[in-house]
Amino acid sequence: QSALTQPPSASGSPGQSVTISCTGTISDVGNYNYVSWYQHHPGKAPKVMIYEVSKRPSGVPDRFSGSKSGNTASLTVSGLQAEDEADYYCSSYAGSNNVIFGGGTKLTVL
Amino acid sequence: QLQLQESGPGLVKPSETLSLNCTVSGDSISSRYYWGWVRQPPGKGLEWIGSVFYNGNTYYNPSLKSRVTISVDTSKNQFSLKLSSVTAADTAVYFCARVYQLLWIDYWGQGTLVTVSS
Repeated sequence: QSALTQPPSASGSPGQSVTISCTGTISDVGNYNYVSWYQHHPGKAPKVMIYEVSKRPSGVPDRFSGSKSGNTASLTVSGLQAEDEADYYCSSYAGSNNVIFGGGTKLTVL
Repeated sequence: QLQLQESGPGLVKPSETLSLNCTVSGDSISSRYYWGWVRQPPGKGLEWIGSVFYNGNTYYNPSLKSRVTISVDTSKNQFSLKLSSVTAADTAVYFCARVYQLLWIDYWGQGTLVTVSS
């Protein structure tokens, strides 16, 4: 199983929107609606922002949204804020009780 | 509030066994959740290691399966990771986590750096 493909970096100015992609295959992202997104500030515990493609856990701002088309999932952060600057990782169920992650995207708020 | 805390040696010699524990507070390890380990080598992305249910059922990443053992100690509300025959490639930050139905992680520990070096 190969890692999911994410762009290494993304950026936007405060108030803008940014979308991070996560590309897999028909064996993972394309076959299951179990894509999740995690925010990681280095040195802290990662935090789930989106699960099951587009669901937000309680407490996650609605500025964060998720979607999927074919083998590619996306995380959109609207109304960028300084505290959104972090590393973002996607993951997908890949069958046979396995989960794979993306390589991560460093989001910079300019 | 659920908290997970990793503990164990920060330095392991090549060919030896890496051993980490994760102490769970704020939830019973015998709940309906799975418990797992994820690692992040320096400068790289996350890698799923495996998961365990409170009854001892385990699920491992095929690429690590031959070297990994994850177990649970319900009396201590802990679960553990053992990775044998380590090399420098196993140097990473190791995270423990609560896993929802083997599908996604809803809580993570802060992670602990384990360096493999002589």
